[in-house]
Amino acid sequence: DAMVIQNPRYQVTQFGKPVTLSCSQTLNHNVMYWYQQKSSQAPKLLFHYYDKDFNNEADTPDNFQSRRPNTSFCFLDIRSPGLGDAAMYLCATSREGGELFFGEGSRLTVL
Amino acid sequence: AQSVAQPEDQVNVAEGNPLTVKCTYSVSGNPYLFWYVQYPNRGLQFLLKYITGDNLVKGSYGFEAEFNKSQTSFHLKKPSALVSDSALYFCAVSAFGDSWGKFQFGAGTQVVVTP
Repeated sequence: DAMVIQNPRYQVTQFGKPVTLSCSQTLNHNVMYWYQQKSSQAPKLLFHYYDKDFNNEADTPDNFQSRRPNTSFCFLDIRSPGLGDAAMYLCATSREGGELFFGEGSRLTVL
Repeated sequence: AQSVAQPEDQVNVAEGNPLTVKCTYSVSGNPYLFWYVQYPNRGLQFLLKYITGDNLVKGSYGFEAEFNKSQTSFHLKKPSALVSDSALYFCAVSAFGDSWGKFQFGAGTQVVVTP
């Protein structure tokens, strides 16, 4: 089945130790998104890509970076995780104007 | 700017009773409206959407939603709730023709269905 796959599902890191979360899709959607979700709150958009065009939300901290090397893959890099970065990170894809398809998420714990 | 309001943090309903989860929106232009459901430690799952056409939209798992332009509402409904419908529900809006890539989510409504 076509889907959005996130790895790892659970990530534990130490304060300040870089982390990379990955997302792959078999839907061939041109738009990919990264959301941050804390404790059952609404997902908060960090970035999105339309093809290779990168769109950074104005309030996304510089500590967060993203890469999209090709249509299928997207990465979220957290350069120096703080305790406040502990959250569920959700990757999603869409066709232009269509609904979002989400992965199962990567839960980040910062010790 | 677009926004979504879900006025209820939690909705409690007995199994077999009708379920309604409320959503109102504000957007310039024609709205794209969506409902998603989230189970614990899972991603969001798409339930249904309104883009254009009939105001009553039918979706997955027996859910439906009614688009009301005059009241700027898009309430989610299910005629007979199941215990397995207990989850977190999010309404979302995306403006047609502008910020098409951006979905504004409501704060979420926790649905609790008791046996």
